[in-house]
Amino acid sequence: KQEVTQIPAALSVPEGENLVLNCSFTDSAIYNLQWFRQDPGKGLTSLLLIQSSQREQTSGRLNASLDKSSGRSTLYIAASQPGDSATYLCAVMSGYALNFGKGTSLLVTP
Amino acid sequence: DGGITQSPKYLFRKEGQNVTLSCEQNLNHDAMYWYRQDPGQGLRLIYYSQIVNDFQKGDIAEGYSVSREKKESFPLTVTSAQKNPTAFYLCASDLTGGLSNQPQHFGDGTRLSIL
Repeated sequence: KQEVTQIPAALSVPEGENLVLNCSFTDSAIYNLQWFRQDPGKGLTSLLLIQSSQREQTSGRLNASLDKSSGRSTLYIAASQPGDSATYLCAVMSGYALNFGKGTSLLVTP
Repeated sequence: DGGITQSPKYLFRKEGQNVTLSCEQNLNHDAMYWYRQDPGQGLRLIYYSQIVNDFQKGDIAEGYSVSREKKESFPLTVTSAQKNPTAFYLCASDLTGGLSNQPQHFGDGTRLSIL
């Protein structure tokens, strides 16, 4: 069974810092990897999707990389802002549904 | 605007009662999903449906039931057999199911508690 792990579980940084969130998965036979953002009491918002044949995807200040052979992905957030404070979830599609990590709770302080 | 609507936002269940959570989408997506989220845990899959009139059990289907009579709708019933139903329930959809490379879209969730 696919296991997805996210490190760290929580992170607090001052505004303006660049930061990296990590995701690892146990089975490299994946179709894609998706990064989501979740605000308190809300649903998930899709940030980036990386297909298994791709190495990275970028959207604004966000960059996600994928190393399928080693079972790792990183989400890089440039010039963090207080509005980036949320929980970030990594999920892999290796069958008919997504397998999620437990998330990284990010707090960006002014 | 296209999206997924979940209702109600908050729901309370009495002992021995079945309750139904609504999920409607106007994205013209074939596949729909139900997840359960507990504090400190990742999302866990309850049921999924790749097409109308067909659905499959996920990892934690016991105590739950679903139907998929219309493409737009995928209601979840939490039965009295589910002994620990308190959780945040999320409905999602995507274009063609797990083998596509399209992102999943999520509703805003229903928070279920026991009275």
